[in-house]
Amino acid sequence: AQSVTQLGSHVSVSEGALVLLRCNYSSSVPPYLFWYVQYPNQGLQLLLKYTSAATLVKGINGFEAEFKKSETSFHLTKPSAHMSDAAEYFCAVSEGSSASKIIFGSGTRLSIRP
Amino acid sequence: GAGVSQSPSNKVTEKGKDVELRCDPISGHTALYWYRQSLGQGLEFLIYFQGNSAPDKSGLPSDRFSAERTGGSVSTLTIQRTQQEDSAVYLCASSKRWDRQETQYFGPGTRLLVL
Repeated sequence: AQSVTQLGSHVSVSEGALVLLRCNYSSSVPPYLFWYVQYPNQGLQLLLKYTSAATLVKGINGFEAEFKKSETSFHLTKPSAHMSDAAEYFCAVSEGSSASKIIFGSGTRLSIRP
Repeated sequence: GAGVSQSPSNKVTEKGKDVELRCDPISGHTALYWYRQSLGQGLEFLIYFQGNSAPDKSGLPSDRFSAERTGGSVSTLTIQRTQQEDSAVYLCASSKRWDRQETQYFGPGTRLLVL
């Protein structure tokens, strides 16, 4: 079965600092990988997704993620954090060769220090 | 266009009561998904629909949970004889088609509290 592990339930960075949210996956088939963001009191929205095209994926709000098959990782980065980036971030993998069920990680809460 | 909508936004009920949660997907989206987000935990997949059929019901926590979708549009998640552990945010999502690379668009959720 496929699974997703997000290292660190809470990450805190200073405004302007690099954001790095870690995600590792396990999959027996080529995965499709996603990062979703959930702002306080809002629904989830897609940040970016990897679907076997370019390994470096650019998303909204300056975020990007790199698919590294050898490391089974899909870490999310942003060069310079902004206060508005404070939110919960979920990494997810699409399961199976034909199913659309998405397996989500447990989430990482990102806090930004002034 | 309108996004995924869910109703009610909040629901408080007494233990043992039945509740119905509604999801209106984005118009034209054939796939619909239900998830549960419990306090301090990640997202738990419950069930998905391809059109009106639900090929995979393995994520439903117990036989107290059921879901249906009619007309390829609105879906209802029903929880019978609610328990306190059912308290959570129930999220609905839809996608254009049933394909694992399709983006799922999420609704704002229904926050359920069972007293």
